[in-house]
Amino acid sequence: EVQLVQSGAEVKKPGESLKISCRGSEHTFSNNWIAWVRQMPGKGLEWMGIIYPGDSDTRYSPSFQGLVTMSVDMSISTAYLQWSGLKASDTAIYYCARLEYDWTTWLDPWGQGTLVTVSS
Amino acid sequence: DIVLTQSPATLSLSPGDRATLSCRASQSVSNYLAWYQQKPGQAPRLLIYDASNRATGIPARFSGSGSGTDFTLTISSLEPEDFAVYYCQQRGNWIFTFGPGTKVDIK
Repeated sequence: EVQLVQSGAEVKKPGESLKISCRGSEHTFSNNWIAWVRQMPGKGLEWMGIIYPGDSDTRYSPSFQGLVTMSVDMSISTAYLQWSGLKASDTAIYYCARLEYDWTTWLDPWGQGTLVTVSS
Repeated sequence: DIVLTQSPATLSLSPGDRATLSCRASQSVSNYLAWYQQKPGQAPRLLIYDASNRATGIPARFSGSGSGTDFTLTISSLEPEDFAVYYCQQRGNWIFTFGPGTKVDIK
């Protein structure tokens, strides 16, 4: 069974940096894409972008380009989402999810989510 | 970019009722539409992919239909665990978009 396990909740101050993680199996990271999705408090799902761990090919949503950085560490089958200067508006739950093939149109499975709270 | 709209925003039903949820795309997405269920405090779960294919482990009471711009998710007889928010999602090249969601709550 494919599983994605995300890092724990974070509380940060505006302007601080943050890197959250999403760990999968070696097989998942060798052959699949990993997407990131934001869910702001009480709101819907927003696609942020996607990365192919095999070669770090990354596609960002125009809404998030330049605001976040996606990366991977294949040696530990982990994908990362990072910010260099958090804002209060970054407060949200962030999910990672698998895209099985580059032609697949659905995301499955999803990680359990990481709650990021940015407050002074 | 393709915009997805879902209706109704909220559906108030009782256990055992039939639920019919709609998702409309601003332009054709062929049959490349997925449905997800999200319960409070949980991650979304894939229910249906490519408009009408149930994901692994999804009960037969969930069914999807449609193509082009109009899609429907039907829950034939609501179980207590089905009260949740449902999202549709499409992929256009490397842009994934989600609908705003339909909340199915208990009447």
